[in-house]
Amino acid sequence: DAGVIQSPRHEVTEMGQEVTLRCKPISGHDYLFWYRQTMMRGLELLIYFNNNVPIDDSGMPEDRFSAKMPNASFSTLKIQPSEPRDSAVYFCASSLSLNNEQFFGPGTRLTVL
Amino acid sequence: GESVGLHLPTLSVQEGDNSIINCAYSNSASDYFIWYKQESGKGPQFIIDIRSNMDKRQGQRVTVLLNKTVKHLSLQIAATQPGDSAVYFCAEGSWGKLQFGAGTQVVVTP
Repeated sequence: DAGVIQSPRHEVTEMGQEVTLRCKPISGHDYLFWYRQTMMRGLELLIYFNNNVPIDDSGMPEDRFSAKMPNASFSTLKIQPSEPRDSAVYFCASSLSLNNEQFFGPGTRLTVL
Repeated sequence: GESVGLHLPTLSVQEGDNSIINCAYSNSASDYFIWYKQESGKGPQFIIDIRSNMDKRQGQRVTVLLNKTVKHLSLQIAATQPGDSAVYFCAEGSWGKLQFGAGTQVVVTP
């Protein structure tokens, strides 16, 4: 298995633009997680899905952020409109079950100018 | 320990020595604990985990100790190697949600 796949690896955009981050979890994993990592706040859980259904989105910072999982092999995290303070590395992770090892993707480094 | 800020605590270790990385967790209801390793430019990589009904677990060159009385977790790395240089995160889990600590930078010197 190729592991968790994220795209793009790097994204540079201007304030106000829409940004879409993509994730393909490991096949057979029922849980998918989106995290954000910054120097100031470390790794923060934004949202997680179970069997494509959002279970907990309490970490999503505000309405500008949205996440979807249309099928078991694909999820998106969208920011609209983007702001400079959204600059961070965004990680997607998947796991077989709760309280089990989460496998992380390589991350998307987002820079909003 | 758990902290948020710009400065990561750093542990400098000589190659071949044993490393001990400490972590204080906050939620006494947490029932699952994990250590992750993150190298520059990569995602966190699983090292070892432990359930709350255990106090010690060993892996290859690594040992995790859990002290629930004082809410303390530690990771011991035996015979530290240059490839062990990375940021190490502890995470506590409850109902599947992981809360990560700020991390400790480990630097292995020759």
